[in-house]
Amino acid sequence: GQQLNQSPQSMFIQEGEDVSMNCTSSSIFNTWLWYKQEPGEGPVLLIALYKAGELTSNGRLTAQFGITRKDSFLNISASIPSDVGIYFCAGRKKTSGSRLTFGEGTQLTVNP
Amino acid sequence: GAGVSQSPSNKVTEKGKDVELRCDPISGHTALYWYRQRLGQGLEFLIYFQGNSAPDKSGLPSDRFSAERTGESVSTLTIQRTQQEDSAVYLCASSFDRDNEQFFGPGTRLTVL
Repeated sequence: GQQLNQSPQSMFIQEGEDVSMNCTSSSIFNTWLWYKQEPGEGPVLLIALYKAGELTSNGRLTAQFGITRKDSFLNISASIPSDVGIYFCAGRKKTSGSRLTFGEGTQLTVNP
Repeated sequence: GAGVSQSPSNKVTEKGKDVELRCDPISGHTALYWYRQRLGQGLEFLIYFQGNSAPDKSGLPSDRFSAERTGESVSTLTIQRTQQEDSAVYLCASSFDRDNEQFFGPGTRLTVL
């Protein structure tokens, strides 16, 4: 099925560095979501975005809903070791009801 | 329970056998979703329940896959005549109502030998 294009696939950074990842699509989404998944667990919602241009923060995390509604980015500032995990973007379309379309994930490794 | 639970956590089966995966959503959540996650990939939508009915089952990959939900609570995902390409983690999520935040369970890791 359709998936969002998420990049980068993986990142290896030093503790304290800032991180940026993004998702793009060829079609419009009405909601953008960012999730984090740790080994053996289901994804956990980090940030939800509902309006084009919206910029939302959650602690050290900041995410934006692109003006074109076809993209979103997630920034993590001052990374710490517990930020390790896989980050997924997800989008919802009005025409698709409640189903979410997921990106393929960004594997983040933080070296202490 | 406090969160979404799924059982079993791991299932190893032989090709051709049927398997049943169970999801217990958060109490009071009317919407329930099943997703499949292949190794190293994102989640693929399978089916959505609102109450006990499934208004969107368009993500089920073949007629070997079916799901039901009873009592607006527990859901089972059944895969008949399993194939090796069915190997994946099957994740269940529930939400208070459609379009509310989806809370995910830990998943069932299915391995088809």
